Amino acid sequence: SQQGEEDPQALSIQEGENATMNCSYKTSINNLQWYRQNSGRGLVHLILIRSNEREKHSGRLRVTLDTSKKSSSLLITASRAADTASYFCATDADPGGGADGLTFGKGTHLIIQP
Amino acid sequence: DTAVSQTPKYLVTQMGNDKSIKCEQNLGHDTMYWYKQDSKKFLKIMFSYNNKELIINETVPNRFSPKSPDKAHLNLHINSLELGDSAVYFCASSHRLAGGRGTDTQYFGPGTRLTVL
Repeated sequence: SQQGEEDPQALSIQEGENATMNCSYKTSINNLQWYRQNSGRGLVHLILIRSNEREKHSGRLRVTLDTSKKSSSLLITASRAADTASYFCATDADPGGGADGLTFGKGTHLIIQP
Repeated sequence: DTAVSQTPKYLVTQMGNDKSIKCEQNLGHDTMYWYKQDSKKFLKIMFSYNNKELIINETVPNRFSPKSPDKAHLNLHINSLELGDSAVYFCASSHRLAGGRGTDTQYFGPGTRLTVL
């Protein structure tokens, strides 16, 4: 079954507001990663948080990880029109199973209204 | 400099044909991957390849075969293409962390949009 599930599936906010996306997963992990995908483009890595970390920051991004609840959140502060994209969480399972790559959620499509 | 590159960017072909997609990474990574993204944007791992060790997702048909001439390349060959193979295929690479601690950040190529008619 699918590992990661993002919530919400779609989110539309005004420029300047904060955007929060959540991700839940099912198995033990080594790390959890967030990626952004602009329409018709490849995936861009945003941030990686290890299983022994609870919070990580990178610029306007803040990621939290709760391994007891098997969930993570991505907060984008002071959103900009350029943040419009799909955001995916991906887990690196521990131990690795299947093809030993990342297991992706279905993504949250974020639209920033100017 | 492009870190992970794929060719071609678009591939349109008839059912039953055999095709290949090439992938190259210049990051010095030891592990490469192929993912498939379907029309609903769901990404699924197909293969990972590390130091001649190939790990295959059991759901991938054996019509798909990765071929690695060297550490920097992992090409994807597809035999007898079917309509359901239409998707965007992404190559990625990363370092594998020591001690069974999983994989590091993965770097993705721009994708190859395959359309089977």
